[in-house]
Amino acid sequence: GAGVSQSPSNKVTEKGKDVELRCDPISGHTALYWYRQSLGQGLEFLIYFQGNSAPDKSGLPSDRFSAERTGGSVSTLTIQRTQQEDSAVYLCASSPGRHGYTFGSGTRLTVV
Amino acid sequence: GNSVTQMEGPVTLSEEAFLTINCTYTATGYPSLFWYVQYPGEGLQLLLKATKADDKGSNKGFEATYRKETTSFHLEKGSVQVSDSAVYFCALIGSGNTGKLIFGQGTTLQVKP
Repeated sequence: GAGVSQSPSNKVTEKGKDVELRCDPISGHTALYWYRQSLGQGLEFLIYFQGNSAPDKSGLPSDRFSAERTGGSVSTLTIQRTQQEDSAVYLCASSPGRHGYTFGSGTRLTVV
Repeated sequence: GNSVTQMEGPVTLSEEAFLTINCTYTATGYPSLFWYVQYPGEGLQLLLKATKADDKGSNKGFEATYRKETTSFHLEKGSVQVSDSAVYFCALIGSGNTGKLIFGQGTTLQVKP
């Protein structure tokens, strides 16, 4: 597509429930990143996929967080047993290389 | 590890004032440096970048010069407009790593008419 598409744009969930956030990167972009933007916390790196290489998961805050990228395209970020501190905007970005990131509009997650 | 430090906000200016948002970084080698902007209710957009020392990135009247000697990449604009009100993020990609963007905390700019 023309840009990075994320869905849903907003998600409200109850504490303890699992959620899945989806990212459709720009076609042909080999790199895909997930970031989290919390109020007062800036932008926090979560996970990075590059082609068929093993993902860099160094930013995932706990084992409740996981992500996969199927067929080198669409990615899903899963948060299990959500907690209130998981409330944030989750941003996805894709890139054809080391530069030229394009960000999606994000998914605003609210855990109540 | 690599890191980026930005001046704290919010920065409040009158229209047509001169803008400087300070950014300094810590990184080995020669990182690439970026400024991203996030307008209210919108996603992050690349504003400008510089990939080597002494390069000047520029866009929409904004400029930033890659200063290796002071490890800085300060954002400047000679005359701000109300429409420049946004959050500005300084960021880097380290020279040896996977291309992971490291962001500063962001600086909120409010421009009043």
